[in-house]
Amino acid sequence: AQSVTQLDSQVPVFEEAPVELRCNYSSSVSVYLFWYVQYPNQGLQLLLKYLSGSTLVESINGFEAEFNKSQTSFHLRKPSVHISDTAEYFCAVSDFSGGGADGLTFGKGTHLIIQP
Amino acid sequence: NAGVTQTPKFRILKIGQSMTLQCTQDMNHNYMYWYRQDPGMGLKLIYYSVGAGITDKGEVPNGYNVSRSTTEDFPLRLELAAPSQTSVYFCASSSPSNTGELFFGEGSRLTVL
Repeated sequence: AQSVTQLDSQVPVFEEAPVELRCNYSSSVSVYLFWYVQYPNQGLQLLLKYLSGSTLVESINGFEAEFNKSQTSFHLRKPSVHISDTAEYFCAVSDFSGGGADGLTFGKGTHLIIQP
Repeated sequence: NAGVTQTPKFRILKIGQSMTLQCTQDMNHNYMYWYRQDPGMGLKLIYYSVGAGITDKGEVPNGYNVSRSTTEDFPLRLELAAPSQTSVYFCASSSPSNTGELFFGEGSRLTVL
């Protein structure tokens, strides 16, 4: 079984400032890692994912996350946030062995609040 | 492309009533899931299915039932609604080639009074 811990339930930042949303996971097997974003009153959308290869993965809207196996972390960063980044962000994990059939395990979410 | 479609979007139930949340996907995905989302708690898996005729319990299955008679549809049934089932419900789908990535519907907000 795996678990995900998102260390901050809320992160307020000023517009154009950098931000880091923290995510740690635990698993006895190798995993795939995901960040999803949920805008108000909407479903979840995939932001980025780590499957294998380069430990730094990027999204099309300027977010990046780095897989750190030794620290079992997958923190999400953006160098300069915009008001439109206000949303709930979820870190999630899936283990290799099931091929993803038994779904994702999610963290509790981090609410990113951008202040003008 | 419709993707994953959930109905209804909103519903208010009285304690003890029953209802079915509908979910359909048009991506020919083998895997389908029901999650519930509660404030500050993230998403919890209720039931999932790896193909037509096959369903399995997730982390929080009590009070719910599912069926999977076709690849496209995965309805979630609440038999005796309780206030603890007030939540936002999300249906999702995936396939082996997606390596774990889930595709979500827009959610169904259920209130039990």
